[in-house]
Amino acid sequence: EAQVTQNPRYLITVTGKKLTVTCSQNMNHEYMSWYRQDPGLGLRQIYYSMNVEATDKGDVPEGYKVSRKEKRNFPLILESPSPNQTSLYFCASSLYQGKETQYFGPGTRLLVL
Amino acid sequence: EDQVTQSPEALRLQEGESSSLNCSYTVSGLRGLFWYRQDPGKGPEFLFTLYSAGEEKEKERLKATLTKKESFLHITAPKPEDSATYLCAVQGSDYKLSFGAGTTVTVRA
Repeated sequence: EAQVTQNPRYLITVTGKKLTVTCSQNMNHEYMSWYRQDPGLGLRQIYYSMNVEATDKGDVPEGYKVSRKEKRNFPLILESPSPNQTSLYFCASSLYQGKETQYFGPGTRLLVL
Repeated sequence: EDQVTQSPEALRLQEGESSSLNCSYTVSGLRGLFWYRQDPGKGPEFLFTLYSAGEEKEKERLKATLTKKESFLHITAPKPEDSATYLCAVQGSDYKLSFGAGTTVTVRA
């Protein structure tokens, strides 16, 4: 089954404790991206990747890091989480940038205390 | 900067009561306007892409239309299973997707 998976689905952590949210897709997609979703603000792009070893900033990259060492994986790293990073995070992929059908993962709900 | 505004924020409908959702946008070089459906606890699911003014697309009880400044998602004779949040997004000349905050639709039986 074609899908995007994220782990963990729920995470409670404390300020400053490094964490990684994993994202994996099994569709051989070149383009992957991370979004955060906050009430009243919609989905905002954090980082995106056009292909392996090619990443770039989205609209809200501050406080986040990403890497793309393999085509299927695109982890999101919070080196020193802060409470304002409490949010719902989605990973998405598409065949290439601009391809209309973006497949979204199920989401990771993060609470930073 | 690309902007997308969706209205209303929430819509409560009786089963069978048709209505429309609005998506107003400003974008530099529209490459496409997208509609997604999002169920609680899940990621957005792609519905439609519209590329140019005058274009229309349909899927079951949903019909999306596009003008130069806005898009409408018409829900005809909705059923309770149409209850969801509907998201609109535009893609500009830089290929970036900008999303609206969404309209939450509740359909009562």
